[in-house]
Formats: sequence, structure tokens, C-alpha cells
Amino acid sequence: DVQMTQSPSTLSASVGDRVTITCRASHSISSWLAWYQQKPGKAPKLLIYKASSLESGVPSRFSGSGSGTEFTLTISSLQPDDFATYYCQQHSSYPLTFGGGTKVEIK
Amino acid sequence: QVQLQESGPGLVEPSQTLSLTCSVSGASISSGSYFWSWIRQPAGKGLEWIGRIYTSGSTNYNPSLKSRVTISLDTSENQFSLRLTSVTAADTAVYYCARDTEYRSPGDYWGQGTLVTVSS
Repeated sequence: DVQMTQSPSTLSASVGDRVTITCRASHSISSWLAWYQQKPGKAPKLLIYKASSLESGVPSRFSGSGSGTEFTLTISSLQPDDFATYYCQQHSSYPLTFGGGTKVEIK
Repeated sequence: QVQLQESGPGLVEPSQTLSLTCSVSGASISSGSYFWSWIRQPAGKGLEWIGRIYTSGSTNYNPSLKSRVTISLDTSENQFSLRLTSVTAADTAVYYCARDTEYRSPGDYWGQGTLVTVSS
């Protein structure tokens, strides 16, 4: 199985901050990586696919980069609606696996 | 607009079988380059991929659950189902169904999730 390791597990930030979340894969997954945002009691929402492609309707302050084993999700200027938990997921090989999540909290 | 909706019992007794259905509108589950997936999330924990079925009917399962899981398509009702046998308290979770687009992205559409509790 490809293990996905996210860091940090919790992040405290203020509105307007630039935020970066990292996801590392135990084996190369090329660019087969997705990023999701999840709010309490809600289903995850797709933000980024193929490591760097922005899903339709997602604000441009979200961006993704990386390939192989190291990936980042960046929020260029954190907004109040962005306080949530973020997950990465690889879909290069079975079983599909998720990172452990990064909770973005208000500082 | 593609919409998915999970349904099924909210309470299952230990050792019994968990059965959930995902009703799909706005897309046909038997056409296109799509997978139809199940994911679960225990309270306060992360996401776990259970498995998925392609529009052709071919399936892939998480090896950690493989001996207990079956995912199937019901094209007449445009829905797909999850069956998990011999459940224990460890199977208590919110269960989500989702659509994955082949060669693009997993999880581009999700159901709202349904809580299943395993308890006597």
C-alpha cells in the first residue's frame, strides 16, 4: 500500500495568512493526487486533482504542486471559510489511500 | 448536476451484515468513464477507502476489508450498493458514496454521508 503522510496534523493561522500543507507518499504516485476540504458534519469537497489542477468553482487562492512523492497544498490568503480539515488522497495504485488530515484552526 | 444519496439502516447488530445503497441522479452509473466508490469515516478520525466499482461492473476493494465487502451496481434503479458482512463495533462510521472520474480525479461528487452504528 502507498502510505500518505500529511504534515502538520494541526495548523493555527490567522485570516490573510499564507498556509502550506504537505503530503508525502511512501512510493512515487506521479501526479495522481487529490486534495479535499472537509467541514464538520459534511462530506469532503474536492479542491485539487492531478496534484495541481483546480476543481471548477474552487477559489483561486487554493493551489497544489508536486509530483512523485512530495506534494503541497497552498492557500495564498486564508479566509474565514477556509478553517476546516484538509486531506490528500492518492489514486495511483490500489488500495486508494488518504493522508491523516490537517486541521486548520483559527489562531 | 450529479447528486448521490446514501440510504440504509442506521443501526446494525454485531456479526450481522451492513447494507447501504447509493442512489444517483444526474448521471448513469452504467455509462461513461466513472467509478462508484464507498468511503467511511469513524467519528473524529480520518477517511478510509472501502472500494469502488467501474461502470463495467469490475470491482476493487481495500485488502483490509476485502473478505467482507461486496459492491454492486443496480442499473435498473441507477444505484449502487455496499454490503459488509460480520460487522463489529470497529465498523461504526459515517459511510459516504462518491463518484470518481477515470484518469482525472477521485471524489468529484459525494453523498452527504450516513451514520451506521454497530451495537446490540
